[in-house]
Amino acid sequence: QKEVEQNSGPLSVPEGAIASLNCTYSDRGSQSFFWYRQYSGKSPELIMFIYSNGDKEDGRFTAQLNKASQYVSLLIRDSQPSDSATYLCAVIPWGNDYKLSFGAGTTVTVRA
Amino acid sequence: DVKVTQSSRYLVKRTGEKVFLECVQDMDHENMFWYRQDPGLGLRLIYFSYDVKMKEKGDIPEGYSVSREKKERFSLILESASTNQTSMYLCASSLLQRDRGAYEQYFGPGTRLTVT
Repeated sequence: QKEVEQNSGPLSVPEGAIASLNCTYSDRGSQSFFWYRQYSGKSPELIMFIYSNGDKEDGRFTAQLNKASQYVSLLIRDSQPSDSATYLCAVIPWGNDYKLSFGAGTTVTVRA
Repeated sequence: DVKVTQSSRYLVKRTGEKVFLECVQDMDHENMFWYRQDPGLGLRLIYFSYDVKMKEKGDIPEGYSVSREKKERFSLILESASTNQTSMYLCASSLLQRDRGAYEQYFGPGTRLTVT
């Protein structure tokens, strides 16, 4: 079982809709969770992190964490064509202060 | 702004060559990382360093070595390049923010290495 799993997509949504991305992780002791966005040919950039159960909102992005169910999700509201990218979920496993475990990423396409 | 730079964006090498990939960060971060990224496999950690001259193996260290002689610079070395090392190589750095429990890694632009 992979440490971090994501649906690879592609996830296609119309402009203005909500894009919902899911990520599950295997290490129940994982503490910190991150969402990175990666445009084609570019390097990943951090868009959100979350480490407490519940929702965290930042502009059009909302991260949701449910440690009991071991999943973290990202909602993109009012999706724009500029949101078209691959979104990487990353987790710090228990007892590991330095290393991130990444999912393979979900590709999102926003249709104008 | 954090800036992480890598020595080359594109590199073509022959099988058996020794290859050096350089990474420099300008934010006084303690931690530095080397990843490779392949389609369908995501980002995989090769090596990381949490201090000068300190290094630890990541998930796929075979065929690679690293060097960190100065805090701002972290080098990845392919001792004898092979075709299965053709990949995108990404360097990252971070400062562990213990008070928030969060941990942000900042990535360089990447080096696309082709081994023929």
